Amino acid sequence: QKEVEQNSGPLSVPEGAIASLNCTYSDRVSQSFFWYRQYSGKSPELIMSIYSNGDKEDGRFTAQLNKASQYVSLLIRDSQPSDSATYLCAFQTSYDKVIFGPGTSLSVIP
Amino acid sequence: DAGVIQSPRHEVTEMGQEVTLRCKPISGHNSLFWYRQTMMRGLELLIYFNNNVPIDDSGMPEDRFSAKMPNASFSTLKIQPSEPRDSAVYFCASSWGNNEQFFGPGTRLTVL
Repeated sequence: QKEVEQNSGPLSVPEGAIASLNCTYSDRVSQSFFWYRQYSGKSPELIMSIYSNGDKEDGRFTAQLNKASQYVSLLIRDSQPSDSATYLCAFQTSYDKVIFGPGTSLSVIP
Repeated sequence: DAGVIQSPRHEVTEMGQEVTLRCKPISGHNSLFWYRQTMMRGLELLIYFNNNVPIDDSGMPEDRFSAKMPNASFSTLKIQPSEPRDSAVYFCASSWGNNEQFFGPGTRLTVL
């Protein structure tokens, strides 16, 4: 099993809809989870971090974590064309090592 | 703050040549990471340093790759000799402890 798996893309949603991105991870002791956004030709940037079970909301973004199921998701409400990017799920193992998933490409159609 | 600085931004070289990528982390950060990104393999951690000491280099693909961090403000990733399969975007990132990693703009390497 790969360490981090994400739903295969590309994912297309109409403008204004909710985009749902999913991620599963294999490390049961992980405590820190992240969502990064990467625009084409640019470097990844952190948009959300989550450390405890439940939901964490930041503006139009909501991260959901279920450690028992080893599952983390990202919901983007009122999707905008500017949200079109690749979204990378990541989790932290020991020390400062972060493992990234393969990414899901999101396209928001005007 | 200028953020993480990488140089060069683009590098085109021929197979067999030595390539050196450079990174200046954000001042005050104590962890530095080198990543490689390709379409096929995604974003892979090559090596990371904590307080200038290499902590985990298990991601370094082979002996042709080496990395150094002689001080808190500078790191290099060297490939010698380079091969076409090394073509990728190489990112450097830095952080303070377990906090958010900030990525540099990357170096796009093409080995002909």
